Amino acid sequence: AQSVTQPDIHITVSEGASLELRCNYSYGATPYLFWYVQSPGQGLQLLLKYFSGDTLVQGIKGFEAEFKRSQSSFNLRKPSVHWSDAAEYFCAVGANAGGTSYGKLTFGQGTILTVHP
Amino acid sequence: DTGVSQDPRHKITKRGQNVTFRCDPISEHNRLYWYRQTLGQGPEFLTYFQNEAQLEKSRLLSDRFSAERPKGSFSTLEIQRTEQGDSAMYLCASSPGTVLADTQYFGPGTRLTVL
Repeated sequence: AQSVTQPDIHITVSEGASLELRCNYSYGATPYLFWYVQSPGQGLQLLLKYFSGDTLVQGIKGFEAEFKRSQSSFNLRKPSVHWSDAAEYFCAVGANAGGTSYGKLTFGQGTILTVHP
Repeated sequence: DTGVSQDPRHKITKRGQNVTFRCDPISEHNRLYWYRQTLGQGPEFLTYFQNEAQLEKSRLLSDRFSAERPKGSFSTLEIQRTEQGDSAMYLCASSPGTVLADTQYFGPGTRLTVL
């Protein structure tokens, strides 16, 4: 069964500082990996995804993530955080069946990001 | 694309009542998913459809829950005899389902409060 762990429940950074949110997954083969962001009262917005190829993935809003198979990790990074980045961030893993994704996503518990001015 | 829409956005009901939620996916998306999210947790998968066929159901989906997608377009999620433990945000997502790298797009959710 697939699973996702986000070790940090809450992270606080100053505006302009760099950011790294951790994500570790458990899956028997090469997974499909996603980062979503959720603002209060809003649905989930896709930031970026990894299916195959280059292990460094670029997303929207200046975010990037790196897939490291040896560490079963898919950490999200941003070089300079803006106040508008304050939200909750979710890492998710999807099943990969012969190169085709299907079915459910399994989400981590989420990391709440607070940005200080 | 107009995005995934859900109705209602908020629902308050009394324990024991039945409730029904609607989800309209992005046009021409073949797959539709339902998730439940409780406070402080990530979304948990409930069920998903490929066109009108319900292909997978979570064990979280007790017999009080039923989902339909009668014409392969919109979907409804019904909860019968609601319990306080059903209070949560119910999220719907859709995906094209026809490409190798399938991506789910989420609606704003329906927040259910059971009193």
